[in-house]
Amino acid sequence: QKEVEQNSGPLSVPEGAIASLNCTYSDRGSQSFFWYRQYSGKSPELIMSIYSNGDKEDGRFTAQLNKASQYVSLLIRDSQPSDSATYLCAVNAPGGFKTIFGAGTRLFVKA
Amino acid sequence: DAGVTQSPTHLIKTRGQQVTLRCSPKSGHDTVSWYQQALGQGPQFIFQYYEEEERQRGNFPDRFSGHQFPNYSSELNVNALLLGDSALYLCASSSDPAGNYGYTFGSGTRLTVV
Repeated sequence: QKEVEQNSGPLSVPEGAIASLNCTYSDRGSQSFFWYRQYSGKSPELIMSIYSNGDKEDGRFTAQLNKASQYVSLLIRDSQPSDSATYLCAVNAPGGFKTIFGAGTRLFVKA
Repeated sequence: DAGVTQSPTHLIKTRGQQVTLRCSPKSGHDTVSWYQQALGQGPQFIFQYYEEEERQRGNFPDRFSGHQFPNYSSELNVNALLLGDSALYLCASSSDPAGNYGYTFGSGTRLTVV
């Protein structure tokens, strides 16, 4: 079992729709969770962090965390073509200094 | 405020050679982590440096080594290059060695081994 799993996609949504990206992780002791956006040919950029169960909203982005189910998700409301990128889920390994990344989900927003 | 700076941007090396990649962290950051990202994959953790010491290492052979200097900048060295070492090498800095605030990434060094 991979430590952090994501559906590789591609996920295609029309402009203005809600994009839903999902991630599961294997280590139940993990406490810090992140979403990074990576445009093609660029480096990852941190867009959201979440530490507690529930929802955290930042503009058009909402991160959701369910530690019991070991599940993290990212919702993008009013999706724009500029949101087309690969979204990486990342989880801090407990008791250490390592952040583990999933393989990423490619998102395409059609104009 | 400069972000994370990496050099060189691109590099082509021959199998068996050695390479050194360099990273300057974001101002105010003292922790540097190195990642390898193959095409279509997520970044894979190589190691982290804090207070000039390697704090944790991922599943990479000893051919991969590093260093952190007193000014927090860091180097990644790879010896005896293999074709499979071809990848984007990312430096990420943070102000928290546990990574609880997330990372700021540099633009990366694209290494091609031929």
